[in-house]
Amino acid sequence: SAVISQKPSRDICQRGTSLTIQCQVDSQVTMMFWYRQQPGQSLTLIATANQGSEATYESGFVIDKFPISRPNLTFSTLTVSNMSPEDSSIYLCSVPGETQYFGPGTRLLVL
Amino acid sequence: AQSVTQLDSHVSVSEGTPVLLRCNYSSSYSPSLFWYVQHPNKGLQLLLKYTSAATLVKGINGFEAEFKKSETSFHLTKPSAHMSDAAEYFCVVSGPWGGATNKLIFGTGTLLAVQP
Repeated sequence: SAVISQKPSRDICQRGTSLTIQCQVDSQVTMMFWYRQQPGQSLTLIATANQGSEATYESGFVIDKFPISRPNLTFSTLTVSNMSPEDSSIYLCSVPGETQYFGPGTRLLVL
Repeated sequence: AQSVTQLDSHVSVSEGTPVLLRCNYSSSYSPSLFWYVQHPNKGLQLLLKYTSAATLVKGINGFEAEFKKSETSFHLTKPSAHMSDAAEYFCVVSGPWGGATNKLIFGTGTLLAVQP
């Protein structure tokens, strides 16, 4: 299985600021996924990021709020822009494998 | 369209007794189904998967699940609970090709508590 790391593991941010979350994989993958898990909720797919093309966003998520970069086959970033307390969540990246393998998540608290 | 419903938000069992976590799905085509487990402050781990092979699927840590098309169910069971099984469990549905490159649709989760 893939080994996935995320940085930061957690952060506390002020409203109106932005945070960039990094996802690093130990093997080359064409697709990477970004999910959000709001407090007490299940996981929801934010977007699918393919290397060399624009990310594909799910309904309810927009590029201006969650810009994604995919500079190479082992790395991706998700930025949470102009944050509000409603953005407090765990953000996870995943990559294809046997099914999907998930990173450890980034716990974000917005005050 | 696909969806998945986990029928219990919380389940509490005693150590050594059987575990049953219920999941029903809806899919307009043959689905792939999974159970993931999330321990406190840990990442998501795949327990088991069904992708149109054997209907009884065995996973890690003694868990298994049975795909029942007639009942549109994929319940997770374990004969004897262990304290280390206390975690949140997610039932997940995806397309028929195994979920590696498809959108995963998560249920709302079942929090399993194991009493000594």
